[in-house]
Amino acid sequence: QKEVEQNSGPLSVPEGAIASLNCTYSDRGSQSFFWYRQYSGKSPELIMSIYSNGDKEDGRFTAQLNKASQYVSLLIRDSQPSDSATYLCAVRDNAGNNRKLIWGLGTSLAVNP
Amino acid sequence: KAGVTQTPRYLIKTRGQQVTLSCSPISGHRSVSWYQQTPGQGLQFLFEYFSETQRNKGNFPGRFSGRQFSNSRSEMNVSTLELGDSALYLCASSIHEGEQFFGPGTRLTVL
Repeated sequence: QKEVEQNSGPLSVPEGAIASLNCTYSDRGSQSFFWYRQYSGKSPELIMSIYSNGDKEDGRFTAQLNKASQYVSLLIRDSQPSDSATYLCAVRDNAGNNRKLIWGLGTSLAVNP
Repeated sequence: KAGVTQTPRYLIKTRGQQVTLSCSPISGHRSVSWYQQTPGQGLQFLFEYFSETQRNKGNFPGRFSGRQFSNSRSEMNVSTLELGDSALYLCASSIHEGEQFFGPGTRLTVL
């Protein structure tokens, strides 16, 4: 059973701090990784995708991928109360023709003013 | 560009009934995936359609079915509803195996 694991949290950080969200995955062959944000009562919203080892930056968000260690992380700089949400990590299954996304259960982030 | 739309947004049904949910993907997206989301269970994959063919299927009973039309619009059907089917049902569209974009969801309540 291929898995994606996230710390459920809640992760609590003060406003202006860096929030660090982590995700590990079991399928060593995975090539595509995604971070989604989900506000309470809303649907998931894509934040970042990353396909190569290293860092990818987009505004206040940085995704980091380390395929050798099988983890992907999301850093949120200058955290704002509006960043308070659940962050979902998704990894695309790379086995044969079965390429569905495998989802973590999400990490709840609370940014305190 | 218009986003993913889902109808209806809310549904209340009783046990034993059936329900059909609809999803219109982003223009140009040919892949539509369906998920069930319940508190504590996360996103559970139901199935994915691409060019009118079911490409992937999750571990749900046969009461859950779907289809996709030539214009990429998709429907899912749940027959013989059970209390445990109460959930948020999400549809997501993508270009082939790319990033998925979600609709607002249909919240189904089974009484």
